[in-house]
Amino acid sequence: EVVLTQSPGTLSLSPGERATLSCRASQSVRSRYLAWFQQKPGQAPRLLIYAASNRAADISDRFSGSGSGTDFTLTISRLEPEDFAVYYCQQYGSYPFTFGPGTKVEIK
Amino acid sequence: EVQLVESGGGLVKPGGSLRLSCAASGFNFNDAWMTWVRQAPGKGLEWVGRIKSESGRRKSEADGATIEYAASVKGRFTISRDDSKNTLYLQMNSLKTEDTAVYYCSTAPITIYGVVIKKGFDYWGQGTLVTVSS
Repeated sequence: EVVLTQSPGTLSLSPGERATLSCRASQSVRSRYLAWFQQKPGQAPRLLIYAASNRAADISDRFSGSGSGTDFTLTISRLEPEDFAVYYCQQYGSYPFTFGPGTKVEIK
Repeated sequence: EVQLVESGGGLVKPGGSLRLSCAASGFNFNDAWMTWVRQAPGKGLEWVGRIKSESGRRKSEADGATIEYAASVKGRFTISRDDSKNTLYLQMNSLKTEDTAVYYCSTAPITIYGVVIKKGFDYWGQGTLVTVSS
C-alpha cells in the first residue's frame, strides 16, 4: 500500500500570499497518478489537480501541481478568501487507492 | 448536469447491516467505473472500493479485479451496481463503530492496460451519514 504523508499539517497564511503544500509517498506513484482535492466544511471534496499537474475543469490557474516519483507539490499562487480549506492528495496508480491525511490552510 | 445522490444512511447497531444507494444521472453510467469514499467525523478521506463497468469487467485483468476493496472493509462490504437503474450500491455487513462516517460515491478512473484513459473523482455526491452505535 502506498502511504501518503502531507506537510505541513496546518498552514497559516494571509490572503494574497503563496501556499506550498507537500505530499510525499512511501513508494513511487505509478505514472504520476496523483490527485489533489479541496474540501470545505460540510461539502464533498472537489478535484483540483489530476495526474500530478493537470487542472480539473473550472479550476482557477492559481492552482498548480508538480512533482513525480515520491514527491509532489500543490501551489496556490495567491490565496483568495475562498481558498481557505483542507487539501488532500491521493494516489490512484495502484490499489488500494490512498489519501494523505490533509493540510489545513487557515487564515492567519 | 451530472448528479450523484446517495441515500440509505442512518443509525445502526454494531454487528448490523445497511445498504447505501447512489443514484446517478447526467452521464453514461453504464460505461462509468464507480467508487465509494468515506470520511469519519472530523477525520480525513478513506477510499472504500471501486467497481468496474460491465464492459470494463471483460477487458484486461491488468487493470485490477472487477471490484477492489480497502483492507478495512474487505469481506464485510460489497459494492454492486444496477445499470438498468443507474444506481450504485454499498452493502455493509458486520458493521463496527469505526465504520461511522459520511459515505460518498464518485466516479473512478478508467484504465486500459494500466493507462488511465478517463480521470475519476471529478463528480461526487453530497454524502450520506452512517452512524454505528449501540
